[in-house]
Amino acid sequence: GQNIDQPTEMTATEGAIVQINCTYQTSGFNGLFWYQQHAGEAPTFLSYNVLDGLEEKGRFSSFLSRSKGYSYLLLKELQMKDSASYLCAGSGAGSYQLTFGKGTKLSVIP
Amino acid sequence: GAVVSQHPSWVICKSGTSVKIECRSLDFQATTMFWYRQFPKQSLMLMATSNEGSKATYEQGVEKDKFLINHASLTLSTLTVTSAHPEDSSFYICSARDLGFANTGELFFGEGSRLTVL
Repeated sequence: GQNIDQPTEMTATEGAIVQINCTYQTSGFNGLFWYQQHAGEAPTFLSYNVLDGLEEKGRFSSFLSRSKGYSYLLLKELQMKDSASYLCAGSGAGSYQLTFGKGTKLSVIP
Repeated sequence: GAVVSQHPSWVICKSGTSVKIECRSLDFQATTMFWYRQFPKQSLMLMATSNEGSKATYEQGVEKDKFLINHASLTLSTLTVTSAHPEDSSFYICSARDLGFANTGELFFGEGSRLTVL
């Protein structure tokens, strides 16, 4: 099984940079995902890391360290619309199933 | 990206009735779909893995006789909540992986179905 841990809430200022951390413990590992979920909506895909290192995609970057069981999502130039829950999810070895963390609710303030 | 459509988006029903939720992959074939449930302010919890042409695999604690899953074609999976009760009120979300996007690992989600049982 998998255990995914991330902070419950964070607040950041518009235009700033915020880093959302995620730690995982898993018996098998096939990748780490980040999803964005606005209230009342389905999650939308942000990033996927399976190898160590940083993946950059516009204002969003995601980092993975397999040896440390650690990932973070970095959001730059924060906008008000970035206020949402950010879900860290792990995929087990040989499986399409995802185990989601409880999500980090990010509030962007002016 | 691939599109997964879920219907209905909202449903309100009386206690004791059954409700069917459909999940369709619109532009790709999905041999496997996943059903999640999300209670307010909580994370997505995997309920079951729906396999085309075979029985679904349920997660521990999920009653297979209460949450009937049928995956009769490569583009359609249905979840039927039988004899629904107020505690079944939740946000149900389906997802599928397009093997064409296997390298990215992306899982595509339906819009979700909010069930309210009175």
